[in-house]
Amino acid sequence: QVQVEQSGAELKKPGASVRVSCKASGYSFSNYFMHWVRQAPGQGLEWIGIINTGSDYTGYAQKFQDRVIMSTDASTSTVYLQLRNLTSDDTAIYYCARDSRFCTGGVCYPYLDSWGQGTLVTVSS
Amino acid sequence: SSELTQDPAVSVALGQTVRITCQGDSLRTFYASWYQQKAGQAPLLVIYGAKKRPSGIPARFSGSSSGNTASLTITGAQAEDEADYYCNSRDSGGHFFVFGSGTRVSVL
Repeated sequence: QVQVEQSGAELKKPGASVRVSCKASGYSFSNYFMHWVRQAPGQGLEWIGIINTGSDYTGYAQKFQDRVIMSTDASTSTVYLQLRNLTSDDTAIYYCARDSRFCTGGVCYPYLDSWGQGTLVTVSS
Repeated sequence: SSELTQDPAVSVALGQTVRITCQGDSLRTFYASWYQQKAGQAPLLVIYGAKKRPSGIPARFSGSSSGNTASLTITGAQAEDEADYYCNSRDSGGHFFVFGSGTRVSVL
């Protein structure tokens, strides 16, 4: 079955960088894009970006474009999220989620069908 | 601010029906998906392609779409349906993605 397993909690100081990993199993890794989503304490879901695990293509929300990098390691079926120059506003649970597509009438509509358990990133001095 | 607008909270009596809506210009072009998030848990897909239900999701969950509004309906709400519900779709430019602000459903 499809599984998405994330790395453990992180505690970082302001100005530092963090890297969160997301290891996929149970399906053909390179055939599915992967999203990253975050949720600050008591807040809603916020889309960060998407990576094509079969190529170098990435797409980032404008808010994060200057300090986010997403990457993949196909040999281990793992995607990574790196976020630089952290502030307290980056304190959140970070989720990866697999992208699937519903296609009808020649058009495909994406959705997030399998989510990791989340990684808590705390930014504090 | 989110490009997809949801009511912050709704309540429903046990066994009754509740409809949650999501409004946004992009919904005229792109189908929405819906996610249930219970306290302390990761989100769970409950509807995709506006009205398709994944395997394992109870039939009391249904989706629909008209114009700029997508809807999630729970028919015969159960206590375990108490959760936050988020819609998701493409943004107005069609390139990236956006979540609605979320609706908290309370089952009384």
